Amino acid sequence: RKEVEQDPGPFNVPEGATVAFNCTYSNSASQSFFWYRQDCRKEPKLLMSVYSSGNEDGRFTAQLNRASQYISLLIRDSKLSDSATYLCVGLYSGNTPLVFGKGTRLSVIA
Amino acid sequence: NAGVTQTPKFQVLKTGQSMTLQCAQDMNHNSMYWYRQDPGMGLRLIYYSASEGTTDKGEVPNGYNVSRLNKREFSLRLESAAPSQTSVYFCASSEFLTGADNEQFFGPGTRLTVL
Repeated sequence: RKEVEQDPGPFNVPEGATVAFNCTYSNSASQSFFWYRQDCRKEPKLLMSVYSSGNEDGRFTAQLNRASQYISLLIRDSKLSDSATYLCVGLYSGNTPLVFGKGTRLSVIA
Repeated sequence: NAGVTQTPKFQVLKTGQSMTLQCAQDMNHNSMYWYRQDPGMGLRLIYYSASEGTTDKGEVPNGYNVSRLNKREFSLRLESAAPSQTSVYFCASSEFLTGADNEQFFGPGTRLTVL
């Protein structure tokens, strides 16, 4: 079974804090992973792809640990505008579409 | 360039009524998807179309039918609506079904209530 599991949260953090989310996946036959962001009552949008070597985009860092089968997202210097739900997404081998996790809710508090 | 559009934005149905949710994309994408999102359940795939002329069941297809009308349009039909189908429905598209950099673009969603 192809699944990605996330802690639903909520994670309540003060502005300026560093916060990290993990996501575990159950099927090792995975090709790629992604983080999507979903604002309240809006559609999901791609935040960043997750590469084996890790990748960074400004305050956001994503990493993949294939040995332990988890993906992480680190947000540094949290802003109020980072408040959203973050969806972990997996792409598995074979001709199948993306598998979405249920999301982790983040609230950044002033 | 509108991306992915969905109609209607909101709909209230009575049990047993039928309706069709419309979705169109203007990005020349090959693959299109229908999801439903319920509190605590995340996004669940209903049906998808890898390319024009093909459709496949996703995780929760029961009670739904789809039509890939052409490359741009992918509709979702509820033949006999049930309260359990109350949800937010998202349509999405991507250039291909798979691929390491294959981003899915989502429409704004349709909020459906079945009484």
